[in-house]
Amino acid sequence: EVQLVESGGGLVQPGRSMKLSCAASGFTFNNYDMAWVCQAPKKGLEWVATISYDGSSTYYRDSVKGRFTISRDNAKSTLYLQMDSLRSEDTATYYCARITREFAYWGQGTLVTVSS
Amino acid sequence: DIVLTQSPALAVSLEQRATISCKTSQNVDNYGISYMHWYQQKPGQQPKLLIYEGSNLASGIPARFSGSGSGTDFTLTIDPVEADDIATYYCQQSKDYPPTFGGGTKLELK
Repeated sequence: EVQLVESGGGLVQPGRSMKLSCAASGFTFNNYDMAWVCQAPKKGLEWVATISYDGSSTYYRDSVKGRFTISRDNAKSTLYLQMDSLRSEDTATYYCARITREFAYWGQGTLVTVSS
Repeated sequence: DIVLTQSPALAVSLEQRATISCKTSQNVDNYGISYMHWYQQKPGQQPKLLIYEGSNLASGIPARFSGSGSGTDFTLTIDPVEADDIATYYCQQSKDYPPTFGGGTKLELK
């Protein structure tokens, strides 16, 4: 069974950093591209970033370029999202997802609240 | 960016058919594949894949869900609607970066 378990969310002040993790199991992690998708409270879904199966390629939405870094450790079957210079508008639940052409499997999400 | 437009809400009766539409600002087909996918999200839960590549049923999804369409016009059909189907439904395109989602259609009971 595919499982994706996010962790690392919480309350953080504007301008500070936070690192999210996503532990994967039930599939061969290094065979798949992975992504982060966020959802602000009571809002819709927004793609944040994608990383290729081997980590060689990364893609970001414009609003997080230069502030967020997606990475992976295939030996640990873990996906990461380093979030720097956080803003109030980054407040959201962050989901990790396994990608084929679609977001096939999703974790349960971790809530990040950016507030002073 | 490709913009996906969905109606915000749809009211339906149990055991009736629900049709949820998604219109895209650009063609999302390429070489015979529709890069259009549908997700269901219940309150407090993560999204779940229902339909991929326009019309393919994801694993474990009941056959009362179906997807159709091509180009810029796509439809998710639920027939018949059951109580467990009350949720918000999102379309998503993966033809071009960035991948984008529709605003979601909240399925409500009449």
